[in-house]
Amino acid sequence: AQTVTQSQPEMSVQEAETVTLSCTYDTSESDYYLFWYKQPPSRQMILVIRQEAYKQQNATENRFSVNFQKAAKSFSLKISDSQLGDAAMYFCAYRSAEGQGAQKLVFGQGTRLTINP
Amino acid sequence: DGGITQSPKYLFRKEGQNVTLSCEQNLNHDAMYWYRQDPGQGLRLIYYSQIVNDFQKGDIAEGYSVSREKKESFPLTVTSAQKNPTAFYLCASSILGRLDHQPQHFGDGTRLSIL
Repeated sequence: AQTVTQSQPEMSVQEAETVTLSCTYDTSESDYYLFWYKQPPSRQMILVIRQEAYKQQNATENRFSVNFQKAAKSFSLKISDSQLGDAAMYFCAYRSAEGQGAQKLVFGQGTRLTINP
Repeated sequence: DGGITQSPKYLFRKEGQNVTLSCEQNLNHDAMYWYRQDPGQGLRLIYYSQIVNDFQKGDIAEGYSVSREKKESFPLTVTSAQKNPTAFYLCASSILGRLDHQPQHFGDGTRLSIL
């Protein structure tokens, strides 16, 4: 079974600075997708960024980018120019691209990000 | 606007009582999911459904039941067999097929508490 580990329960960063959230995963599959979701205090789950495992190029979405290291099974999220609105729980998630597992998102434990003004 | 509607936002259950959480989507998505979130933890999959009248157990299905009579609706019943039902419940949906790399979309959640 696949597992996702976020080793940083909490992180904080000064406004306008850059912060990196870590995520590692364990899988024997070669084809899969990885996601970062943001959960603000409203509890809504918002997709931040996604990465297809077959793509070598790291995904970017405005101030958000990932460092995807397939061999190391690492998928970190970098937030540049941090803003107060970025404060939230961030979840890393894995999804298989094959078979029954293709329907399941496996989540990490989450990292609570605080932005200091 | 297209989206996922969960109701109620807050729900209280008495001991021995079954309660049903509603989830409706108008995104024309094939697949629907139910997740449970406990404080300080990630989401865990309860049940999912890829097609009407069919559904599969997730990782923590014991004490829960679902139905999928319509494509738009995927209600979750928390039965009296679920001994620790206090949690935040999230419903999600997604496209299947050649676009299955598309992400799951989530509702705003239901918070269930024991009286």
